[in-house]
Amino acid sequence: SQQGEEDPQALSIQEGENATMNCSYKTSINNLQWYRQNSGRGLVHLILIRSNEREKHSGRLRVTLDTSKKSSSLLITASRAADTASYFCATAPLIQGAQKLVFGQGTRLTINP
Amino acid sequence: NAGVMQNPRHLVRRRGQEARLRCSPVKGHSHVYWYRQLPEEGLKFMVYLQKENIIDESGMPKERFSAEFPKEGPSILRIQQVVRGDSAAYFCASASQYSTEAFFGQGTRLTVV
Repeated sequence: SQQGEEDPQALSIQEGENATMNCSYKTSINNLQWYRQNSGRGLVHLILIRSNEREKHSGRLRVTLDTSKKSSSLLITASRAADTASYFCATAPLIQGAQKLVFGQGTRLTINP
Repeated sequence: NAGVMQNPRHLVRRRGQEARLRCSPVKGHSHVYWYRQLPEEGLKFMVYLQKENIIDESGMPKERFSAEFPKEGPSILRIQQVVRGDSAAYFCASASQYSTEAFFGQGTRLTVV
């Protein structure tokens, strides 16, 4: 089964509002990453947060990580139409020798103008 | 992610034919991952390779699928005797030996007719 599970599966908001997406995972991790995928395109890396970090910012993005609850959130502030995309969290499990990323099903975000 | 090159972008094969998908990683990256994505779904891990070695193929179907990452040249995902269920987008990602931050290609969309 997938390690990361995003919530909600779909989110539709008005331009200018903030969008919050959540991700839960099952096993201990080395780090957690968020990716964006525009329709029909590849994935773009947004941000990486390590297991010893609690919060990280990048432009209009804010990511939090709670390892005790095995969860992370991605906040996009002042959303724009161009933010419409699917957002995936990916975890790097803390397993010796393993570097693979395990993806969730994603949150489909729609920003309405 | 512009550094990961996948080709072809679109591939149409008849049932029973072979599909060969190519991935050139970011220059200097020694780790390659292949993922499969069905419409409206997340990415399913298939295989993780380092130069000339398969590290983790736990996501690869037992039959008809194979992958390689030779010392020279691109990584190849090979699907023999394709069936309709193989139709999907196949993404390649690469990473350096020092990080799990993965850079994705634009994907190959395989259609089996």
